[in-house]
Amino acid sequence: AQRVTQPEKLLSVFKGAPVELKCNYSYSGSPELFWYVQYSRQRLQLLLRHISRESIKGFTADLNKGETSFHLKKPFAQEEDSAMYYCALKRGGSQGNLIFGKGTKLSVKP
Amino acid sequence: GAGVSQSPRYKVAKRGQDVALRCDPISGHVSLFWYQQALGQGPEFLTYFQNEAQLDKSGLPSDRFFAERPEGSVSTLKIQRTQQEDSAVYLCASSLRTGRAYEQYFGPGTRLTVT
Repeated sequence: AQRVTQPEKLLSVFKGAPVELKCNYSYSGSPELFWYVQYSRQRLQLLLRHISRESIKGFTADLNKGETSFHLKKPFAQEEDSAMYYCALKRGGSQGNLIFGKGTKLSVKP
Repeated sequence: GAGVSQSPRYKVAKRGQDVALRCDPISGHVSLFWYQQALGQGPEFLTYFQNEAQLDKSGLPSDRFFAERPEGSVSTLKIQRTQQEDSAVYLCASSLRTGRAYEQYFGPGTRLTVT
């Protein structure tokens, strides 16, 4: 079965500390993985996708097929990073709907 | 340009009432998705349109849920005889096409509360 697991509901760190939001997936095929972010009172928006191998707002994520993980990392957290973060898997084929994890709320304290 | 819009933003319905939720995708976007997000959960897929064709409705939880996109732009999600378990945020997303290169853009959602 296709599944995305985010084991932490809440992650609290101090400003300037490193942050890692965990994501594990289950998928029989070549996965396409994303991180979406939802800031307070804003809509869900794409943060980054694994195929782009880019860094957005200082965040990076590496796909580890051996561990079936796609953890989101940032070396120095900022207060404005506080938000809900969702890891998502895109189904293969021509359709492409997303399968989301339950989300992790990141709180960055001053 | 304008992003995906949804209306109403909030809807309170008494159990047993029918509701209709509207989604205006980004102009020119071929693909349209509906998701349901229960409290404390991630969004879950309901149904998918490519233009006016509903290509997948495997996520619709019951036959009380019905979606349409008759002219390939605006879409309506209808829930008949609402139940308390239907309370959730309903999200609409659109993308220019399907496939790896195309990002899904989300609307603000409609929060449905069934009392």
